[in-house]
Amino acid sequence: GQNIDQPTEMTATEGAIVQINCTYQTSGFNGLFWYQQHAGEAPTFLSYNVLDGLEEKGRFSSFLSRSKGYSYLLLKELQMKDSASYLCAVYNAGNMLTFGGGTRLMVKP
Amino acid sequence: KAGVTQTPRYLIKTRGQQVTLSCSPISGHRSVSWYQQTPGQGLQFLFEYFSETQRNKGNFPGRFSGRQFSNSRSEMNVSTLELGDSALYLCASSLVPGSNEKLFFGSGTQLSVL
Repeated sequence: GQNIDQPTEMTATEGAIVQINCTYQTSGFNGLFWYQQHAGEAPTFLSYNVLDGLEEKGRFSSFLSRSKGYSYLLLKELQMKDSASYLCAVYNAGNMLTFGGGTRLMVKP
Repeated sequence: KAGVTQTPRYLIKTRGQQVTLSCSPISGHRSVSWYQQTPGQGLQFLFEYFSETQRNKGNFPGRFSGRQFSNSRSEMNVSTLELGDSALYLCASSLVPGSNEKLFFGSGTQLSVL
């Protein structure tokens, strides 16, 4: 089966750095996505990793280790608007995208 | 360029009824997928369509069905509604299917089954 785990909730302070972890066990691997979803809104694309290593895009970075079945999303210089749910999703060998339960991040002043 | 459009935005039905949800993808996008989102289960994959053909189907009962039209618009249907079908149904589109294709999501249809 497919199993993707992420923490349910995290809290961080404005201006700080936060790391949201995602571990996965899937039948094959064809890529990992991170999406951001604000309450009541549609998920929006943040990052894509298919090779091991770090992908940096502004304040957001995403890391992947395929051998460990592990990824993290790093958010720097946190802003209040970063309060949202962050969804980790993995494409398996059958090209089905499976989402984790999401991590609800609360940024406090 | 318009985003993914889902209608209706909200829907209230009673047990046993059926419902049809609509999704218009971004212009030029030919792949459409559907997800069910609930607080307890997160996003769960329902099905994916490309060129009017179902490419993949998630682990949902046969009461859940869908189709795609020649203009790439898609509909999903749920028959014999159950209380547990109450959820946000999200549609997403991409240019083509593929593991490196990012999805563009609509705002969803919030279905409440009473």
